[in-house]
Amino acid sequence: GENVGLHLPTLSVQEGDNSIINCAYSNSASDYFIWYKQESGKGPQFIIDIRSNMDKRQGQRVTVLLNKTVKHLSLQIAATQPGDSAVYFCAENSGSGGTSYGKLTFGQGTILTVHP
Amino acid sequence: KAGVTQTPRYLIKTRGQQVTLSCSPISGHRSVSWYQQTPGQGLQFLFEYFSETQRNKGNFPGRFSGRQFSNSRSEMNVSTLELGDSALYLCASSLLGTGAETQYFGPGTRLLVL
Repeated sequence: GENVGLHLPTLSVQEGDNSIINCAYSNSASDYFIWYKQESGKGPQFIIDIRSNMDKRQGQRVTVLLNKTVKHLSLQIAATQPGDSAVYFCAENSGSGGTSYGKLTFGQGTILTVHP
Repeated sequence: KAGVTQTPRYLIKTRGQQVTLSCSPISGHRSVSWYQQTPGQGLQFLFEYFSETQRNKGNFPGRFSGRQFSNSRSEMNVSTLELGDSALYLCASSLLGTGAETQYFGPGTRLLVL
């Protein structure tokens, strides 16, 4: 069945460090992945996405890596700042067939805390 | 562009009542998805609407329903509320709701059932 899970529920780093948040998925049919950031009292905010025909994608201070062989996804945040403190979710969509319409399957989330 | 908006932001209901939540997608987006977020179950997909039609549905009881209007605005309804329905209800919009498409979320409606 579909399952997207995170290895670490919490991550604590110092300001300026690089952060790595990991995610494992089990649906080999998944071909689209997204990382979201959710701050307290807010909805999930899009960070970056990647399609299965890629293994790396970079944004501003963030990089997503996809390893389809081991079904693993990671989000790297460079020079982490206190404003990066939030819960981070990975999500996937199988991208095929009617059951994929508008449906993202989310991981459990990782709480990132950045200490000044 | 304005983001996804949801109303109301907070609701308190009692068991057995029903509730209707509203979502206005980003202008031009035709797909609206709804999710329930709880501490125990995380974010779970409820259903998706496109062109006033429900195209996909998650594993929730029939008490959870929704609809979409011709302007793409969507509502979801929960009838006969149970304590376990207390959650943050999120809607997200995307252009067409195809698999490989970014969904943008609203701030959510926090529902408390007493």
